[in-house]
Parts: sequence; structure tokens; C-alpha cells
Amino acid sequence: ETGVTQTPRHLVMGMTNKKSLKCEQHLGHNAMYWYKQSAKKPLELMFVYSLEERVENNSVPSRFSPECPNSSHLFLHLHTLQPEDSALYLCASSQDRKTGAEQYFGPGTRLTVT
Amino acid sequence: AQSVTQLGSHVSVSEGALVLLRCNYSSSVPPYLFWYVQYPNQGLQLLLKYTSAATLVKGINGFEAEFKKSETSFHLTKPSAHMSDAAEYFCAVTSFSGNTPLVFGKGTRLSVIA
Repeated sequence: ETGVTQTPRHLVMGMTNKKSLKCEQHLGHNAMYWYKQSAKKPLELMFVYSLEERVENNSVPSRFSPECPNSSHLFLHLHTLQPEDSALYLCASSQDRKTGAEQYFGPGTRLTVT
Repeated sequence: AQSVTQLGSHVSVSEGALVLLRCNYSSSVPPYLFWYVQYPNQGLQLLLKYTSAATLVKGINGFEAEFKKSETSFHLTKPSAHMSDAAEYFCAVTSFSGNTPLVFGKGTRLSVIA
């Protein structure tokens, strides 16, 4: 595998379920990101990790819980979601958090909350 | 605060015609500007970026963009559209200094007609 991979690619879950999204980057990068992409809205930055430390949390509801066990892996744990949380969740990585550092995106997980 | 406005949520061009996708930004400090492309069922891929060097930036797949400070614009162009250019295009801005996040526009969907 090369680049940034995400699993699963599609996920349907009920509002009472607990699930996790996984992201893995094979680029040796030190920063990783979770974005939410909803129809007709700009990409929303959710979380930023730098060297496995969470450095940014953009007022995301607590039903989303990120985890970064090492610099190559990033998880997004989901519980008691709402229908409005249905979206494409994108993971990205960059060499570091310096301005101008190119972000490499994964293909995303299409989440549907029923 | 920084922001990006992409004029036109949907642009349609004929194959072989000029592609022009508009992006205007707002930033109180010198910006770094990016164009990303997203093909169906894929993540975002960097097309090109402006980081205060040459104002005319050349990217992949024949695309280029020109930074115009006086107009606060960073429009994306390609002389001749190909069918394979059909995708969603996103403009993004970040600031010149500090670990500031990328702020994305809402995107412009490009259709290419045979």
C-alpha cells in the first residue's frame, strides 16, 4: 500500500452503534488530520495530530473521539451519532504542520447514519 | 480570519475549450493558496500551490493559476479541457506564518461535454 489508506470505504450505522474509522499513512509523515465533507459545504477540519499529540480540536461533538496510537495510524471512534453526521470523512497527512506543507488525502469513508 | 469564495458551484465546458475556475480569498496576512481536485470516490489531490514565489504557478495535468494580490484572486485555468478533467475542484488558503489550518472553499464541479 502507498499513500494514505482508509477503511472501511463505506459504513452504515444506527444511532446507537459504536464503530471506528481507520486511517493509515505510508509516507513517513508526522502530522495527520480528520476532515468532514458534507454536500454543499466546505471541508471542515475536525482534528489535527502532530507527532501523535492532538494539537487541534475544532469544537467537534464528543460523540467523535480521535485516537493516534503512532505516527502512521489515526482512528476516529464513533458513538451515538446523529443523522446529520452522515458525510464523507477524509483523513490526510503532511510532513509536518508548517505552513505550505502539502496534505495528502485518503479516499475517504462514506458514512451513513440511519 | 481567512476565507475562500469559489464563484460558481458548477461549470460546464466543451472538450477542447478553455477551463476557468474562479477563486477569491480573504486574508489579513500574506496567504498561501492551493488548488485541489477530487475525482469521484476519491480523496483530494493537490493540483498546485502558491507560496509567495512566482505569481504564475504551474501544476499537474496542464493546469495553472495566477496569484493577483490586487484582486485577491487565484483563478485556475487550463487552455484545453479533456474529458478526464471532469471532477470537483477546491481552492484553499492558509496564512504565511504559523501552524494555521487550511480553509477550503465550497468547491466547483467541472463538467466536460464531448
